[in-house]
Amino acid sequence: DQQVKQNSPSLSVQEGRISILNCDYTNSMFDYFLWYKKYPAEGPTFLISISSIKDKNEDGRFTVFLNKSAKHLSLHIVPSQPGDSAVYFCAASGSGSGNTGKLIFGQGTTLQVKP
Amino acid sequence: NAGVTQTPKFQVLKTGQSMTLQCAQDMNHNSMYWYRQDPGMGLRLIYYSASEGTTDKGEVPNGYNVSRLNKREFSLRLESAAPSQTSVYFCASSEGYEQYFGPGTRLTVT
Repeated sequence: DQQVKQNSPSLSVQEGRISILNCDYTNSMFDYFLWYKKYPAEGPTFLISISSIKDKNEDGRFTVFLNKSAKHLSLHIVPSQPGDSAVYFCAASGSGSGNTGKLIFGQGTTLQVKP
Repeated sequence: NAGVTQTPKFQVLKTGQSMTLQCAQDMNHNSMYWYRQDPGMGLRLIYYSASEGTTDKGEVPNGYNVSRLNKREFSLRLESAAPSQTSVYFCASSEGYEQYFGPGTRLTVT
């Protein structure tokens, strides 16, 4: 069973517009969530995170929203730039993953930002 | 600082051959991880090591073994490679929630 799900395999947006990537989780014991970005032939790199005690965290053009009651988080990128084209993974951690350090990853969403 | 390094970058094996993937980190992290990435499956944890001297199975450990050689190094061994192990393998390290990843090893088993 997939505990962290990214139901949209791909997303295409125009440069300058907002990109919204979604992620759902099933285990209410998760208490920390992260987004990673991955370019082809490179390892994933950390982008932004949020603790379950917050419902929003912002870092420049990137904002993550957490809705605990819906077990849903989203990543907003405003404005989107062509360099944002990559695969985005959401990940969850906490006692729900059995160990504070372990991450459970979603399947990933490929974002294409068109010039 | 190099961060997390992995060798080799690419490898082709025949079914039944063995090999070891190497990983090293220079960030003095206690925890290290091995993942595999397959299309549509995200990153799945193979094995992890919470600290030097300890290793534990992850989600997909069958067909693999690991060794935490010291605090810096964490290797992944395929004793008898199978085509189902064709994948991209990533090593990561962490000291908290945020994990730092290596560049990956692309492995093909024919």
